[in-house]
Amino acid sequence: SYVLTQPPSVSVAPGKTATITCGGNNIGSKGVHWYQQRPGQAPVLVIYYDRDRPSGIPERFSGANSGDTATLNISRVEVEDEADYYCQVWDKTTDHREFGGGTKLTVL
Amino acid sequence: EVQLLESGGGLVQPGGSLRLSCAASGFIFSDYNINWVRQAPGKGLEWVSSISNSGGAKYYADSVKGRFTVSRDNSKNTVYLHLNSLRREDTALYFCARERTTEMDYWGQGTLVTVSS
Repeated sequence: SYVLTQPPSVSVAPGKTATITCGGNNIGSKGVHWYQQRPGQAPVLVIYYDRDRPSGIPERFSGANSGDTATLNISRVEVEDEADYYCQVWDKTTDHREFGGGTKLTVL
Repeated sequence: EVQLLESGGGLVQPGGSLRLSCAASGFIFSDYNINWVRQAPGKGLEWVSSISNSGGAKYYADSVKGRFTVSRDNSKNTVYLHLNSLRREDTALYFCARERTTEMDYWGQGTLVTVSS
């Protein structure tokens, strides 16, 4: 199966930029999606196909993907951004959907 | 408004069975693939299964293949996940999620499955 690797935790001060990485073999050739999950809630799609934002997601959320690393950037971080973030890809060789292990974003 | 509502979770003994349902509304159900994703207590998201819009293609994670079966009834706007030969490690909150192309754009609130004697 295709493995996605995320750091378990990232900390950032309010107003700063948070960067969450998602590593995978040649992940730049795949479309990467990002989900935000606040405690006790269902996941919410925040970025799809590397860099596109669904309607209602603030412009502070952005993404990039190249080589072996995809990144989710959250600029001007707010307390409400504190959540778990997961990357996800579709593995076309198996038709499996794969999630990264998740990153807990703490706003200090 | 797109809505997905899971049901059918509960407490079941190891080796037992359960059927989960995911009832959809607010969109043309037969146009979309549906995924099941689970989350064990305190753990991350794990993809479980996917069923194509017609029901003709079904995919399973290795951890559940041969024990879980996904199906859908487009006349009832509902997807089912049949869980057989349940193990303690299947204990989780089970979400269903609509798949737009390869991203999951809408999720239900989940139904809890607890496998314990």
